Amino acid sequence: GAVVSQHPSWVICKSGTSVKIECRSLDFQATTMFWYRQFPKQSLMLMATSNEGSKATYEQGVEKDKFLINHASLTLSTLTVTSAHPEDSSFYICSARVPGDFATEAFFGQGTRLTVV
Amino acid sequence: AQSVSQHNHHVILSEAASLELGCNYSYGGTVNLFWYVQYPGQHLQLLLKYFSGDPLVKGIKGFEAEFIKSKFSFNLRKPSVQWSDTAEYFCAVSPDSGYSTLTFGKGTMLLVSP
Repeated sequence: GAVVSQHPSWVICKSGTSVKIECRSLDFQATTMFWYRQFPKQSLMLMATSNEGSKATYEQGVEKDKFLINHASLTLSTLTVTSAHPEDSSFYICSARVPGDFATEAFFGQGTRLTVV
Repeated sequence: AQSVSQHNHHVILSEAASLELGCNYSYGGTVNLFWYVQYPGQHLQLLLKYFSGDPLVKGIKGFEAEFIKSKFSFNLRKPSVQWSDTAEYFCAVSPDSGYSTLTFGKGTMLLVSP
């Protein structure tokens, strides 16, 4: 199946700093990617839909200015957590679907564990 | 908006026991249904999916799921689990339209003891 790679796998940062997470589709072009957040013992919650060449679509309650999403190419979407605080500590996961076939599975990155201290 | 409910947060089984994980969804229209598995330290991987046709779906590693439309359910089953099936299992649903987003259940952690 298609491969989605996320980097880094884990990151620790100081409160007030910004962290960038990359999501790459390695063997296909993804016009749309999705960013999820997973709290311990809870489900994956969709944060935003990242669209290549246009603005991301954020879910209700997700701060656009805090979670900056850039989808500059067909194989790369980035999520930047700006001015991170301890409550932003979480597991962030991206996914993508192969375009042209909406009836296909989503492929997931391995996730990024963010810890803000 | 759609929602997904998984009945059990934790399940503990002995090897060779049978498994059934419950999943119910709420949505008024046609849906696509998925079961994903996340082994410790690994990506989410697709176990099986239902889009249309035979409501009994066969997936990888001996898993199957049955879509019962009248019950809004998509339960996951395996006749005989193995220690290597220890993982977290997520049921997910997306509306039947292009590039629809997935809504996940909270997941069920399965622990299989040897």
